[in-house]
Amino acid sequence: QVQLQESGPGLVKPSQTLSLTCTVSGASISSGDYYWSWIRQNPRKGLEWIGYIFHTGSTYYNPSLESRVNISVDTSKNQFFLRLCSMTAADTAVYYCARDSIYDNCFDPWGQGTLVTVSS
Amino acid sequence: QSALTQPRSVSGSPGQSVTISCTGSNSDIGAYNYVSWYQQHPGKAPKVIIYDVNKRPSGVPNRFSGSKSGTTASLTISGLQAEDEADYYCCSYAGTYRGVFGGGTKVIVL
Repeated sequence: QVQLQESGPGLVKPSQTLSLTCTVSGASISSGDYYWSWIRQNPRKGLEWIGYIFHTGSTYYNPSLESRVNISVDTSKNQFFLRLCSMTAADTAVYYCARDSIYDNCFDPWGQGTLVTVSS
Repeated sequence: QSALTQPRSVSGSPGQSVTISCTGSNSDIGAYNYVSWYQQHPGKAPKVIIYDVNKRPSGVPNRFSGSKSGTTASLTISGLQAEDEADYYCCSYAGTYRGVFGGGTKVIVL
């Protein structure tokens, strides 16, 4: 059974950088059949796809966040990472990592999510 | 890229059918057969129930079905059950966006 688990700080100060880790179990990040995505959810904007990474390190980002986002991968640890800089209150959200089928454009499964609050 | 448009809520009695619409554009739903639907219970992560417009993942009851016409996709829940009360989100591939989501629809079981 494939499981994803997000980890990272629950509180970030304005202008700082958010760093999150997604640990994958039950499947190899090195599989060529999947991208590995970050998605966030807040009451104001709903669900928003942030970006994905392929095991080769290739990335693709939401154009509206591209200037602030970096996603990286460590295949040896079966983990991938999100960095989002210049955080503001508008970035307060539950952040999810999810497996993203290349062939079906379907996010499955998702991690349980981690709430990140931006506040001084 | 604008979010997809869904009704805020729909309701039905147990055993009835409800349909949720998801309206997009020729840049997303109208251009690709990559529409997926997600069910989210309070405090839980979304779970895929339909992908590629009308395919059901293993384990998803067949009372959930999906369809698409032009720039509008639909999710139908037949034989509504109490456990179907949840938020439902549509999602479409949109070229430059791997996924564009709808605003969500709350299904209320009366």
